[in-house]
Amino acid sequence: GQQVMQIPQYQHVQEGEDFTTYCNSSTTLSNIQWYKQRPGGHPVFLIQLVKSGEVKKQKRLTFQFGEAKKNSSLHITATQTTDVGTYFCAGDSGAGSYQLTFGKGTKLSVIP
Amino acid sequence: DSGVTQTPKHLITATGQRVTLRCSPRSGDLSVYWYQQSLDQGLQFLIQYYNGEERAKGNILERFSAQQFPDLHSELNLSSLELGDSALYFCASSVGSGGRRETQYFGPGTRLLVL
Repeated sequence: GQQVMQIPQYQHVQEGEDFTTYCNSSTTLSNIQWYKQRPGGHPVFLIQLVKSGEVKKQKRLTFQFGEAKKNSSLHITATQTTDVGTYFCAGDSGAGSYQLTFGKGTKLSVIP
Repeated sequence: DSGVTQTPKHLITATGQRVTLRCSPRSGDLSVYWYQQSLDQGLQFLIQYYNGEERAKGNILERFSAQQFPDLHSELNLSSLELGDSALYFCASSVGSGGRRETQYFGPGTRLLVL
């Protein structure tokens, strides 16, 4: 079945440093979604990428979808303590699939 | 607040017991999804219901079952509980039949502890 891998599993950064998490799928994706889960909270939708090579920005967050639609990345510039949480990517293969396959997430800690 | 509600918030029970988790989707959403989140496994998709009918099945054990009622709320039944079933169970909802390009809105979760 479809597998979605995320690296790194954990990342500790000093406040103000940049952060990147990578997502790789074993199959070509129809689209990829990113979610953020704050400590003690629930996953919250951040963004969806659909097109090959697509890049989207949300303030300090930059999301990319690979040309082959099998990988994606989330980059945060100048991290803040409010960025703390676990970032998940989730892919949909689109082949009649009705389910999202989530990566295991990258847990970000920001040291003030 | 996502608009998805889940009850109870916490549940403590013993091995071998049966529990029911409840989820009410956002107003207007027709799909409900159930996920299990444990420390080392991330978010595992269990099952999806769309407008009362099972739509997709993931890694759901035979001891687990779910249903969606005419008012669109859903229940996840976990039976013959084992220690390894201890986890956070999330419900999510989406507006349509799910899958391609639909955003899922997650509830606050039910934390299950099996002793």
